[in-house]
Amino acid sequence: EAQLVEFGGGLVQPGGSLRLSCEASGFMFSGYWMAWVRQAPGKGLEWLANIKEDGSETYYVDSVKGRFTISRDNVGNSLYLQLSSLRVEDTALYYCVRDNDFWGQGTLVTVSS
Amino acid sequence: DVVMTQSPLSLSVTLGQPASISCRSSQSLVYSDGIIYLNWFQQRPGQSPRRLIYKVSNRDSGVPDRFSGSGSGTDFTLKISRVEAEDVGVYYCMQGTHWPKTFGQGTKVEIK
Repeated sequence: EAQLVEFGGGLVQPGGSLRLSCEASGFMFSGYWMAWVRQAPGKGLEWLANIKEDGSETYYVDSVKGRFTISRDNVGNSLYLQLSSLRVEDTALYYCVRDNDFWGQGTLVTVSS
Repeated sequence: DVVMTQSPLSLSVTLGQPASISCRSSQSLVYSDGIIYLNWFQQRPGQSPRRLIYKVSNRDSGVPDRFSGSGSGTDFTLKISRVEAEDVGVYYCMQGTHWPKTFGQGTKVEIK
C-alpha cells in the first residue's frame, strides 16, 4: 500500500528557513513525478513545485520561485522541499503528492515572529 | 495562470438526492496530446485530498460509481447521483494541462 509521510514542519520566524521531507513507501518512487502542494489554514490548495522522476526537471509556481527548492533521493525514496526567506503568508499545511493521484497527510509550517 | 472557477461554492443536499458542481477554466484544457488533464478531488473534514476523477471522466480505483465527471474544452462537471453522509467535504477541480497546475476555490458539500 502506498504511503507518503511528511515531516520537518514547525514554527519559524519570518526570513527563516526550513527543510521538509517526505518518505515514500509501497510503490516505485523512482517511477513517478512528485510534487509539493500547500493549503493555508481554512483556505484552498496551491500547487507549489514538481520534480521529474529522475530529478532532471523541476518547476515552481511564481510565488515560491527563488525561495523554495524541490529535490529527491531515489535511493532513499525521499522527497524534499527546502524553504527559505519564509514569509508569514507561507504558513500552511504542506502536502507531498505523488504525481497528482496520492497525497500524504501533510506537515504544518507556521511562519510567525 | 489558468483560473479555475467553481460553482456553487457551497451546496446543501438531502441524503439520497443528486448534487452537481461546475468548474470552468479561463482557457482550453486540451493539451498538445489531445488529452484534457482535469481532475476532481474530495477533501473530507480533517483529511488530505483524495483524487476521485482524472482526465475529466475516469474514476479512480475505489471511488463509488455514484461519482461521475464530464465536460470538454473549458466547462466541466462533477456529479454525485445520490449523496451519502460520507460525501460531506470540500470538492476541488484541478487542471494539470498548463503550468502551474491550478485548483478551483472548492465547493463545500453538506447534508441538509
